[in-house]
Amino acid sequence: DVKVTQSSRYLVKRTGEKVFLECVQDMDHENMFWYRQDPGLGLRLIYFSYDVKMKEKGDIPEGYSVSREKKERFSLILESASTNQTSMYLCASSNPGQGGRETQYFGPGTRLLVL
Amino acid sequence: EDQVTQSPEALRLQEGESSSLNCSYTVSGLRGLFWYRQDPGKGPEFLFTLYSAGEEKEKERLKATLTKKESFLHITAPKPEDSATYLCAVHEDSNYQLIWGAGTKLIIKP
Repeated sequence: DVKVTQSSRYLVKRTGEKVFLECVQDMDHENMFWYRQDPGLGLRLIYFSYDVKMKEKGDIPEGYSVSREKKERFSLILESASTNQTSMYLCASSNPGQGGRETQYFGPGTRLLVL
Repeated sequence: EDQVTQSPEALRLQEGESSSLNCSYTVSGLRGLFWYRQDPGKGPEFLFTLYSAGEEKEKERLKATLTKKESFLHITAPKPEDSATYLCAVHEDSNYQLIWGAGTKLIIKP
């Protein structure tokens, strides 16, 4: 079974703090993704990575950065947390399939509250 | 504009009452359509991938079907444990991203 783990289930931070969210997958997947999920807005892609040290911006990258130093680990960084970054953060991973077909598998999520 | 629309937003059923959830999409070329189940406070759990019109997949009480414009997730004789939000996502040919629907919240009453 594919397993994607996230470092924290719940996190409370103060405005202005630097926040690190860690994601690890154990299936040797090439692609990794960070989403945020808010009521009424659905899943929105923040960043994704298709290889070690590679990253691409998604729909809402502002205020976030990412790091992928090892294939199995993808980190999301909030340089200076703000209250509007309070959200559920979801990490996913996938492998490119034949003809570009691939399925994303998700971690359990991190619920972040910024006070 | 490429988009994915799920309906209804919410659906309440009695245990054993079969129904269907809809996911309609407008994309220039479909690479794949995905169904996920999400329980409150948890990450989405993968259910099915459909690649071409006419394809069907089944898992326990769930059956997913695909046409050129929409997909249905049929639930037969549901149980309370089937209560969850069901998400649909589309992978379009010319885009690296998935396009997500807003989800259908399914509540099964005993």
